[in-house]
Order: sequence, then structure tokens, then C-alpha cells
Amino acid sequence: EVQLVESGGGLVQPGGSLRLSCAASGFTFSSYDMHWVRQRTGKGLEWVSGIGTAGDTYYPGSVKGRFTISREDAKNSFYLQMNSLRAGDTAVYYCAREGGGVGSFDIWGQGTMVTVSS
Amino acid sequence: QSALTQPPSASGSPGQSVTISCTGTSSDVGGYDYVSWYQQHPGKAPKLMIYEVTKRPSGVPDRFSGSKSGNTASLTVSGLQPEDEADYYCNSYAGSNNLVFGGGTKLTVL
Repeated sequence: EVQLVESGGGLVQPGGSLRLSCAASGFTFSSYDMHWVRQRTGKGLEWVSGIGTAGDTYYPGSVKGRFTISREDAKNSFYLQMNSLRAGDTAVYYCAREGGGVGSFDIWGQGTMVTVSS
Repeated sequence: QSALTQPPSASGSPGQSVTISCTGTSSDVGGYDYVSWYQQHPGKAPKLMIYEVTKRPSGVPDRFSGSKSGNTASLTVSGLQPEDEADYYCNSYAGSNNLVFGGGTKLTVL
């Protein structure tokens, strides 16, 4: 079964750091670009970062310089290192596979909650 | 990069058709045929319904269709069914390895 499973969410203080992980199974992980998308409670989806098969990375301005995406093909996993966290980063974070077209996410994880609060 | 503009809500009765719009600019929706649509039920992860403006992934009913004209993309749901009630989001490639989502539309089946 094609699957993505996130882990690593939790409660962190403002200014703190957190590392999210996403474990992939059921497909050739190394052949796909992978992404993180977040959703604040009651709000819409927001693209957070992406990583290509060659390890090239992409970020929107809202997280550039604070978040770092990486991948470990040998472990069929990729990660999101989040530093200098703010209250506005509180959200459910989904990992997703880019499949079916540029910027199209065909497989999603179940999401992991990140809460930034003192 | 600004979010794409979607109407906050849409509705229709069972069996009817409804169309949801997604308006961007020539730098995103109008500039590339890389618009996707997602369905999200409460508490669930999004599900890909349409990619590359008009293409349907395997398993998605043909009641769902996509189109684009200029800077506006559209998702049409024909023959509305109760299970179609959900939030719908569009996204588009925006050049320079950027992606942007719409604000979402809550579809109600009356």
C-alpha cells in the first residue's frame, strides 16, 4: 500500500525548534519530489517546502531561512527542520508526494499537529 | 506570492451541477497548465481530484471535471451527491519552483 506517515509534532515554545519526519512506503521513494503542506485550524492549505529527487529544495518566503527540508532515500524518509518557531506556525503539517503533474500532490500523510505556545 | 482566490462557499441540490472558481494571475494560473484541485472532508487529509487543469486521477468519478480560461480555473461537480459535501482547494505552479493554494471553498449539498 502506498503510504506516508508523519511523526514529530508536538508542543514547542516560541523561538524553539522541532523536526518532523515523514516515512514513505509502497512506492519508489527516490523517484519523487516530496513536499510539506500545512493547515492552520479552520484555515486553508499552505505550501511550506519541497525537495526534488536530486536534493534541490524550495520554500515560500514565509518560512525561508527558518525551515529546512531534507531527505534520506536509503530510509525512504524526508524531514522538516523548523527553527525560530512562531505562534503563526501552529498548524497541522502534512507530508505529500508530488505525483500526477507539477505541483500536484497525489499521496498525503495523515498530518501531525504542531503547536507553538508558551 | 498571494493565495489564489476562491469563493468561500458554494451549494447545490443532489443531482445538480456546481462550479467552483479559482482566480490567480498570469504568473500562476494563467501562466501554466499546472492547476490541481483537492477535496477535503473534515478531519481528513486532502485528496487529489484534478491535476494539470483537466486530468482525473484513477478512481476519481467522471462527475468531477476541470477547466481553465485565462487566469481563472474551474472545478465542476456534476450530478451532486451527498458525499461531495466537503472543502475544495485549488493550487497552481507559480514559477521559480513556487506553489500557491487557493483559500478553499466549502461545498454544501442541500
